[in-house]
Amino acid sequence: EEHLVESGEHLVKPGGSLRLSCAASGFTFSNYYMHWVRQAPGKGLEWVSSISASSTYINVADSVKGRFTISRHNANSSLFLQMNSLRAEDSAMYYCARMSFGNIWYFDLWGRGTLVTVSA
Amino acid sequence: QAVLTQPPSVSGAPGQRVTISCTGSSSNIGTGHDVHWYQQLPGAAPKLLIYGNNNRPSGVPDRFSGSKSGTSASLAITGLQAEDEADYYCQSYDSGLEWVFGGGTRLTVL
Repeated sequence: EEHLVESGEHLVKPGGSLRLSCAASGFTFSNYYMHWVRQAPGKGLEWVSSISASSTYINVADSVKGRFTISRHNANSSLFLQMNSLRAEDSAMYYCARMSFGNIWYFDLWGRGTLVTVSA
Repeated sequence: QAVLTQPPSVSGAPGQRVTISCTGSSSNIGTGHDVHWYQQLPGAAPKLLIYGNNNRPSGVPDRFSGSKSGTSASLAITGLQAEDEADYYCQSYDSGLEWVFGGGTRLTVL
């Protein structure tokens, strides 16, 4: 069965750094574009960043550009999000999501999410 | 402010039909990019409900259907059931903003 499992809950101070991880299993991770999507408490979904299968193409939302860096390690089937200069407004549930294989771009597999709280 | 516009809430009685709209612009839905829908049950991660405007993944009941026209799309749910109570999100691709979501619609089953 296909799974995405993000790392546990995190509490960090404003201005601090954090590295999220997502472990994939049950499918050939190296074939897929991967994404991070976040959801602030009581709010909607917000796309954060994406990385192509071979890490050639990386895209980042304007709201986190220059602060967040996505990466992956295909040999370990792992996805990462390095988060620097964290702000209170970065507090959210962060989901790891797989993008569909092909030319219709939707998220066909989601992790359960990892909660990030930025607070003094 | 979400790039795609959805009504904040809709409601319906069991057995009824409800629709949820998703309005975009010429840089996303209007350009021909597909619309996809996700269902998020309370306390859970989003789950793919409709992809490619009107396709259902395996396991999604045929009570759920999608459509797209111009710069807008719709999700229809017929034969409403209590278990359908959830948040629903539309998603597309925007030529300038990459992957974009609607603000979400909370469905209440009366």
